[in-house]
Amino acid sequence: DVKVTQSSRYLVKRTGEKVFLECVQDMDHENMFWYRQDPGLGLRLIYFSYDVKMKEKGDIPEGYSVSREKKERFSLILESASTNQTSMYLCASSLPIGGGNSEQFFGPGTRLTVL
Amino acid sequence: AQKITQTQPGMFVQEKEAVTLDCTYDTSDPSYGLFWYKQPSSGEMIFLIYQGSYDQQNATEGRYSLNFQKARKSANLVISASQLGDSAMYFCAMREGGSGTYKYIFGTGTRLKVLA
Repeated sequence: DVKVTQSSRYLVKRTGEKVFLECVQDMDHENMFWYRQDPGLGLRLIYFSYDVKMKEKGDIPEGYSVSREKKERFSLILESASTNQTSMYLCASSLPIGGGNSEQFFGPGTRLTVL
Repeated sequence: AQKITQTQPGMFVQEKEAVTLDCTYDTSDPSYGLFWYKQPSSGEMIFLIYQGSYDQQNATEGRYSLNFQKARKSANLVISASQLGDSAMYFCAMREGGSGTYKYIFGTGTRLKVLA
């Protein structure tokens, strides 16, 4: 059974803290993605990666960075958390485009609250 | 400009009836893919159905079908015989381009409530 896991379901942090959100997939997918989901705004892409050590900015990368040292793991880093980063964070993975319809498989999400 | 538009923030449907969730998209790329996902209250995103821009026939997956009207740039999701478990948030998404493109764009979603 395909699986994308995220390190925490719920996380509470303080303003200014460094926050790590981890995502692991067991499907040997090349592509991995980080989104944030806010009411009325849908899912917005923060960063994505199409290979180990490769990363590309999405639509809202400001205040975030990512790391992909291994194929199965994609980490999202909030260098100095702020209250406007309170959100639901979703990780996803997919095959390359040539691999069929390349649907994305999502993790369960991490609801981050920054106080 | 919005690339994926879902104009219905919320919808109600009676159990066992069919419902159509609207999605329009905007792209100048001849190669693209369209997706629908379901997000129940538990938060997980579940893939429902896919339509490629070159596909001649509308996609179907069980009770889900995608009404693809290329000239109108619409990709509406039709759920037949609604069930209580269909109550969820539904997102339309588009991936532009062919090989080498990795970005997916999501709409703002439609919250569907199925009434008993």
